[in-house]
Amino acid sequence: GQQLNQSPQSMFIQEGEDVSMNCTSSSIFNTWLWYKQDPGEGPVLLIALYKAGELTSNGRLTAQFGITRKDSFLNISASIPSDVGIYFCAGQLHQGGKLIFGQGTELSVKP
Amino acid sequence: DTGVSQDPRHKITKRGQNVTFRCDPISEHNRLYWYRQTLGQGPEFLTYFQNEAQLEKSRLLSDRFSAERPKGSFSTLEIQRTEQGDSAMYLCASSVWDRVGTQYFGPGTRLLVL
Repeated sequence: GQQLNQSPQSMFIQEGEDVSMNCTSSSIFNTWLWYKQDPGEGPVLLIALYKAGELTSNGRLTAQFGITRKDSFLNISASIPSDVGIYFCAGQLHQGGKLIFGQGTELSVKP
Repeated sequence: DTGVSQDPRHKITKRGQNVTFRCDPISEHNRLYWYRQTLGQGPEFLTYFQNEAQLEKSRLLSDRFSAERPKGSFSTLEIQRTEQGDSAMYLCASSVWDRVGTQYFGPGTRLLVL
């Protein structure tokens, strides 16, 4: 079945640093989404991307939908302690259909 | 404004028992999804509904699992004869069937099978 490879698996950074993580797939998707999950909670939507090449920002977060439709990246600028958590990419092939998730990137921010 | 809600938030059961979880989607969201998440992994798709119709089921959904959405509003997920391997977080999400169909997740039900 389809799989998403998300990297890095974990990151330890200093407060104020910028962060970048990415997701690649062996097959194309028509939608890419980025979620953040805190321990014991459900994923919270951060950014949704609907067109190849699209670059979208949400505050300090910026994400891009790769031209090939097989990859996406998420950047976080000027990280703060509340950015700590697990970030998941998710791809969707069919509108309204199931999401395929990556394995997650665990972010730790040192004050 | 209420998001997706799930009940219970936690469930501990003995192997062989049946359990049922409930999901209430965001009001007027006509699509409802169930996912399962084990420790250190991303959520995995189980099944989804449009209104009361179950449109897709994953091979992960064995015969012991059944999901319903009888009136097109809330949904239930039942696991019969639970096994220790069923221990996981069960997540529900909902969306509107439109051009974007963005899925919004509930807080999940954490199941532990002893």
